[in-house]
Amino acid sequence: EAGVAQSPRYKIIEKRQSVAFWCNPISGHATLYWYQQILGQGPKLLIQFQNNGVVDDSQLPKDRFSAERLKGVDSTLKIQPAKLEDSAVYLCASSRPGGETQYFGPGTRLLVL
Amino acid sequence: DQQVKQNSPSLSVQEGRISILNCDYTNSMFDYFLWYKKYPAEGPTFLISISSIKDKNEDGRFTVFLNKSAKHLSLHIVPSQPGDSAVYFCAAPAGGSGNTGKLIFGQGTTLQVKP
Repeated sequence: EAGVAQSPRYKIIEKRQSVAFWCNPISGHATLYWYQQILGQGPKLLIQFQNNGVVDDSQLPKDRFSAERLKGVDSTLKIQPAKLEDSAVYLCASSRPGGETQYFGPGTRLLVL
Repeated sequence: DQQVKQNSPSLSVQEGRISILNCDYTNSMFDYFLWYKKYPAEGPTFLISISSIKDKNEDGRFTVFLNKSAKHLSLHIVPSQPGDSAVYFCAAPAGGSGNTGKLIFGQGTTLQVKP
């Protein structure tokens, strides 16, 4: 079974630029999550999708972050414009229906200069 | 409000010895816990979990203990191997067992196993 795929793996941008991340979850996993992990901290949820609907986006800075999951499979997370404090690893995870265990992709490491 | 806490940022043990990683939680509604292991430049990998109906769950060299009255859990690795060197995260589903909601993570503990 293929794992969660993410791209790109690394991205360096200047502040005020925009950036987008892509995620392909494990086949059959209806729930998809985007987490932000700042150095020295645990991952924190940004947004959760169930199929193509948003379940929880309470921690998503909606003035600059957006996400979509068209057709209930792949997902993209966008930041526009980026700030210095957005430098972090962005992790995508997926889980089976009713499953507590989330399976993570390798993450995208973002550096904002 | 840090609902899941790992108060030891780092731990160093000798190969072959026991590693004990600790985790405390404040939300008494949490009834399921997971441990993840993370190598540099990789995503967290699920390691082991425990439900609050148990006080112990074992999988090979890894055992997780849960003390509900103290709101404390620990991960024991015996014997420790150099390949176990990684960051370990304790996590709990915000909505409890059977819930696919967000995981609340601790800050992580970096384990170094010396040959």
